[in-house]
Amino acid sequence: QVQLVQSGAEVKKPGASVKVSCKASGYTFTGYYIHWVRQAPGQGLEWMGRINPDSGDTNFAQKFQGRVTLTRDTSITTAYMDLTRLRSDDTAVYYCARDSLTGTTVYWGQGTLVTVSS
Amino acid sequence: DIQMTQSPSTLSASVGDRVTITCRASQDISSWLAWYQQKPGKAPNLLIYKASSLESGVPSRFSGSGSGTEFTLTISSLQPDDFASYYCQQYNSPLVTFGPGTKVDIK
Repeated sequence: QVQLVQSGAEVKKPGASVKVSCKASGYTFTGYYIHWVRQAPGQGLEWMGRINPDSGDTNFAQKFQGRVTLTRDTSITTAYMDLTRLRSDDTAVYYCARDSLTGTTVYWGQGTLVTVSS
Repeated sequence: DIQMTQSPSTLSASVGDRVTITCRASQDISSWLAWYQQKPGKAPNLLIYKASSLESGVPSRFSGSGSGTEFTLTISSLQPDDFASYYCQQYNSPLVTFGPGTKVDIK
């Protein structure tokens, strides 16, 4: 069965960076895009970007251009989201999610809480 | 980026009610529209894809319609398990956008 398992909660200071991992299993890792979506406390879902695990090609929401890096390591079927220059409003649960043949995201990780606080 | 709006932002309803949520896109997205349900502390769950296709395992009381810029999600008879937040999502590649969400609570 498809599983996406994310790394644990992080607490960071403003200005720092955070790297969240997403370990995929149960399918061909290079066959489907991995998306990253975040949700601030009490707020809605916000799409950040996606990576093609086969080619490494990425697409980003305009808001995150230049501050987010998406990478993958195909040898260990893991995708990574790196967010730099953290601010307090980056406090959120960060999710990875996998594309499907229908074109949208069906499988989701459990979420990783990133707290930015001085 | 394509902008998405949803209405209403909050909806109070009773078990058995017919519920309709509307989603609008800032430009034509054909049928590249999905609907998700989310409960507190959980990841979103896909209900509808390509505007009107029911995801496997989702109860038939959920349905979607629309194309272009205007879409609706309908729950034909609201059940206790349906009290949650609902989000539309456009995936007219390569960028993706979510609507702001609609919270369905108990009247």
